[in-house]
Amino acid sequence: GQNIDQPTEMTATEGAIVQINCTYQTSGFNGLFWYQQHAGEAPTFLSYNVLDGLEEKGRFSSFLSRSKGYSYLLLKELQMKDSASYLCACRDNYGQNFVFGPGTRLSVLP
Amino acid sequence: NAGVTQTPKFQVLKTGQSMTLQCAQDMNHEYMSWYRQDPGMGLRLIHYSVGAGITDQGEVPNGYNVSRSTTEDFPLRLLSAAPSQTSVYFCASSPGAVYGYTFGSGTRLTVV
Repeated sequence: GQNIDQPTEMTATEGAIVQINCTYQTSGFNGLFWYQQHAGEAPTFLSYNVLDGLEEKGRFSSFLSRSKGYSYLLLKELQMKDSASYLCACRDNYGQNFVFGPGTRLSVLP
Repeated sequence: NAGVTQTPKFQVLKTGQSMTLQCAQDMNHEYMSWYRQDPGMGLRLIHYSVGAGITDQGEVPNGYNVSRSTTEDFPLRLLSAAPSQTSVYFCASSPGAVYGYTFGSGTRLTVV
């Protein structure tokens, strides 16, 4: 089975940097994905890590350590529109499906 | 491209009724899945398909059926609705194993 853990809620200030952590325990692992979900909307894909290290994509970066079962999403220069839930998801060993964490609700304050 | 289209967006059912949630994608994606999302529990996989004619169960399949007769369509059938099936349902598709999913806009289902 798979178990994914994330903080439930976080608060940060506009213009700041925030790091959202994700820890996972899986029987098989084939990549870690981050999704953003605004309230009442569908999740949208943000980033993908399958090898250890940092992947940067504009204001967003994602880091993976497979040996530690750990990932984080780093959001820089926070904007009000970044207020959303951020979902960490592991792809199973067959590559066919995701197991999602409960999500972290981020509130960006002025 | 319309992406992943789900209908209806909202539905209220009485306990014991059956219905089909529709999902269609126009991106020629092989992988399609159905998830339900409940407060505090994240997204949970109901059923998935890796191609036309191939389906399999996910984490919470009881009370639901699926079929995949074409690449484009992946309907989810509720056999006999129960209040525990009140949830937001998302259909998603992906072109392959190393790609993220594209989600539909969701169906908010209430069973009374």
